[in-house]
Amino acid sequence: GAGVSQSPSNKVTEKGKDVELRCDPISGHTALYWYRQSLGQGLEFLIYFQGNSAPDKSGLPSDRFSAERTGGSVSTLTIQRTQQEDSAVYLCASSLSVADTQYFGPGTRLTVL
Amino acid sequence: AQKVTQAQTEISVVEKEDVTLDCVYETRDTTYYLFWYKQPPSGELVFLIRRNSFDEQNEISGRYSWNFQKSTSSFNFTITASQVVDSAVYFCALTVRNYGQNFVFGPGTRLSVLP
Repeated sequence: GAGVSQSPSNKVTEKGKDVELRCDPISGHTALYWYRQSLGQGLEFLIYFQGNSAPDKSGLPSDRFSAERTGGSVSTLTIQRTQQEDSAVYLCASSLSVADTQYFGPGTRLTVL
Repeated sequence: AQKVTQAQTEISVVEKEDVTLDCVYETRDTTYYLFWYKQPPSGELVFLIRRNSFDEQNEISGRYSWNFQKSTSSFNFTITASQVVDSAVYFCALTVRNYGQNFVFGPGTRLSVLP
């Protein structure tokens, strides 16, 4: 079936605006992850959802970042009052369950002017 | 806490050379999983291999091979007869099978294969 999809592929916004990034995981995958990758850097874990359990938010860099996952499927990452340092590629991944192989989406490139 | 170290930031080789990418991990758990991912210039991460802590058998897949050694906490990746298309950033990752544990990725090694 289809892989992980993310939208939009690119987002340019002005400092102070809110943005929403969407992730559609692979059907049947119960685990969903959000990562951030700054230019030339590694992956920074943001948040993790597993089934109906409370998400692991330990990686969120500030309270401006939040995420939800509705119906155990689609997830939305919201960044409020964006700052220039939020500019990065935001990657979503899903896996069948915890510790299983993660399959990544193409990412959303966020640019905050 | 888990940690993954990829000491090689960048490697350049000439086509057809063999190259080994190092990965050293740290965990106190006895059950864990190791992964390698490739990120080509297009940006999308591609899964290469998954290995659990109870299986130390080395694996070969075409020009790719992996050497897992628990004694040295290493999970190294070798590309034989490298090709230009192998140019990418390669990430090693670790996770443990506990609720709430996230994947820990190494910083990545940028491999450039020159023609």
